[in-house]
Amino acid sequence: QQQVKQSPQSLIVQKGGIPIINCAYENTAFDYFPWYQQFPGKGPALLIAIRPDVSEKKEGRFTISFNKSAKQFSLHIMDSQPGDSATYFCAASVTSGGGADGLTFGKGTHLIIQP
Amino acid sequence: DTGVSQDPRHKITKRGQNVTFRCDPISEHNRLYWYRQTLGQGPEFLTYFQNEAQLEKSRLLSDRFSAERPKGSFSTLEIQRTEQGDSAMYLCASNQNREKLFFGSGTQLSVL
Repeated sequence: QQQVKQSPQSLIVQKGGIPIINCAYENTAFDYFPWYQQFPGKGPALLIAIRPDVSEKKEGRFTISFNKSAKQFSLHIMDSQPGDSATYFCAASVTSGGGADGLTFGKGTHLIIQP
Repeated sequence: DTGVSQDPRHKITKRGQNVTFRCDPISEHNRLYWYRQTLGQGPEFLTYFQNEAQLEKSRLLSDRFSAERPKGSFSTLEIQRTEQGDSAMYLCASNQNREKLFFGSGTQLSVL
C-alpha cells in the first residue's frame, strides 16, 4: 500500500520557471511533511518541511502548500536554476504519540531545469 | 565532517555471502534509522534505534536482515545469505527528535 503518492514522475522546466511537484497522502495520522532533494550518489537532504496546522511555508526559493482537507501538499521552486536539477521526494511521518516511526517517502520526481 | 558517515560506500558481493554495513550518526543524535532505496524509488524505512534500543524492526525485509547499535553510537546492518534482490542503496539517517532527518551518502550494494 503506497501511503504517499507523488506526481509527476519527471518534469522539465526552463530556467526561471516554477516547477510544481504534488503529493497526496492517505494516513490522517501523519503530522509532519518534509521534502527532500537528492543528487546522484548522495543521500537525500532535507529542503523544507511543514506541519498540518499551517497552509503554506516558504524558505528561500522553496514553498510548500498544504491542503489538509484534500490530504495533499505540493512543492514550488521559484526562479528555478539548473543547479536545482535533482530528484525530489515528498515524505510524511507521525511524530506524536507512540507507534512506528520513520518517514514514508513518495516515489520521487526527477526534475531537470534547462538553461 | 560532522555529518552521517557510512562505510563502505560501495560493496560488491556474491550471492549467498554475508555483508555488514556501518553507520556513524551525527554525534549528538540519539535516533538512528536504516532505509533501503532501489533505483527509481523513494527510500523505504527498515528499522530505527533510540539510543541502543531498537524500537521498530518489523519492517526489516526478512529474517536475513538484522541491525545493531550496541553502545548507542554507531550502528551496523547485516544481510545474511545475500540475494540478487538485495542489490540497492542502503541509507542511514539520524536525528535528535522526530523531525529533520539527516541522511548519509549510503552504501551501494551489488549482489552478483
